[in-house]
Amino acid sequence: KAGVTQTPRYLIKTRGQQVTLSCSPISGHRSVSWYQQTPGQGLQFLFEYFSETQRNKGNFPGRFSGRQFSNSRSEMNVSTLELGDSALYLCASSLAGGRLETQYFGPGTRLLVL
Amino acid sequence: AQSVTQPDIHITVSEGASLELRCNYSYGATPYLFWYVQSPGQGLQLLLKYFSGDTLVQGIKGFEAEFKRSQSSFNLRKPSVHWSDAAEYFCAVVLFSGGYNKLIFGAGTRLAVHP
Repeated sequence: KAGVTQTPRYLIKTRGQQVTLSCSPISGHRSVSWYQQTPGQGLQFLFEYFSETQRNKGNFPGRFSGRQFSNSRSEMNVSTLELGDSALYLCASSLAGGRLETQYFGPGTRLLVL
Repeated sequence: AQSVTQPDIHITVSEGASLELRCNYSYGATPYLFWYVQSPGQGLQLLLKYFSGDTLVQGIKGFEAEFKRSQSSFNLRKPSVHWSDAAEYFCAVVLFSGGYNKLIFGAGTRLAVHP
């Protein structure tokens, strides 16, 4: 079974632009979570989607948004990019985001904001 | 508040030596704990997990971890380190919010292996 895939793997943007990242979960997984990883803040939870609904959101500004499609693929969007948005963005999937489930991570998208 | 502490930012060991990476958690209920490994430029790979039962859990690549409730710890061990184990290791606890989970990660421990 294929793992979690993320596209693109690398992105370079300039301040003020917006960006969209994509995540395809493991087949059969319906919960998709997004995390931001930076050297200063470590790994931080962004949000989680299940059945096209955002169920859980971390402490990030409204510039960070996401959505999930009926096939469970998810996208996250960052508008009005800031230098501090440079990070590795990781997507993780699980069956339904339930109590005893394991999250499986993709390789990440590395975003550099200039 | 729920949190995970990994006291060691960097650890260097010689190839063939034993390894222990420390993880302490703060969580009011029964914790569900994970260890993930991240190689440079890569995502996170699950090493092992603890949900309940036997407090000594075995994982992939020869790793094991022991859950000690009295010490709020979930330390990762390996009896003999290989050069390919050089990576960053993250301990995480599941936080349940509204019936679904998110992971709270420690800051990570970067492992270097000397030949």
